Amino acid sequence: GAVVSQHPSWVICKSGTSVKIECRSLDFQATTMFWYRQFPKQSLMLMATSNEGSKATYEQGVEKDKFLINHASLTLSTLTVTSAHPEDSSFYICSARFSAANEKLFFGSGTQLSVL
Amino acid sequence: GESVGLHLPTLSVQEGDNSIINCAYSNSASDYFIWYKQESGKGPQFIIDIRSNMDKRQGQRVTVLLNKTVKHLSLQIAATQPGDSAVYFCAESESGGSYIPTFGRGTSLIVHP
Repeated sequence: GAVVSQHPSWVICKSGTSVKIECRSLDFQATTMFWYRQFPKQSLMLMATSNEGSKATYEQGVEKDKFLINHASLTLSTLTVTSAHPEDSSFYICSARFSAANEKLFFGSGTQLSVL
Repeated sequence: GESVGLHLPTLSVQEGDNSIINCAYSNSASDYFIWYKQESGKGPQFIIDIRSNMDKRQGQRVTVLLNKTVKHLSLQIAATQPGDSAVYFCAESESGGSYIPTFGRGTSLIVHP
């Protein structure tokens, strides 16, 4: 099956610093990637849709200047949490699909971000 | 739908029992549904999917049932094993839209040996 690799698995950072999370599709080209945020014992909340070569589409309430998304190639999307604060601590998960017409998503293993 | 502020419902079963996890979806236009399994600290894994032109689909030890009339989806796991312990999410999407799935609330399945 399709493999999506997400790094790092966990990161601890000081308040005010920026953190970059990478999401790679290892054996397929992903025209679209999604970034989710998940709080403990809750469902996945879609943050943004990342399309290769174009600007990301953010969900309502998600600050695009806070959560910078770059999808520069068909196999890599990055999420940068800028000037992180403790309230940004969460589990971030990326997913990818083959094409806009293919509904099946393949998920990365997630990144646990802890901001001190 | 979202489960912001709410704890996950929990289903506890004994090893070997059959498990049934339910999901109510909200969009009557949704025509594609997926069940995912998420183990602690990991990303969701695809289990099984079903399109709206079907009402039942079977996989290995799992069966998904779809009732469009009442907008209800269920996942049945036969002979549940301790390794099945995880949180299970249903997701719905609409082919006439952008295929972006909406995740349900999730159910925590605990399998006792």
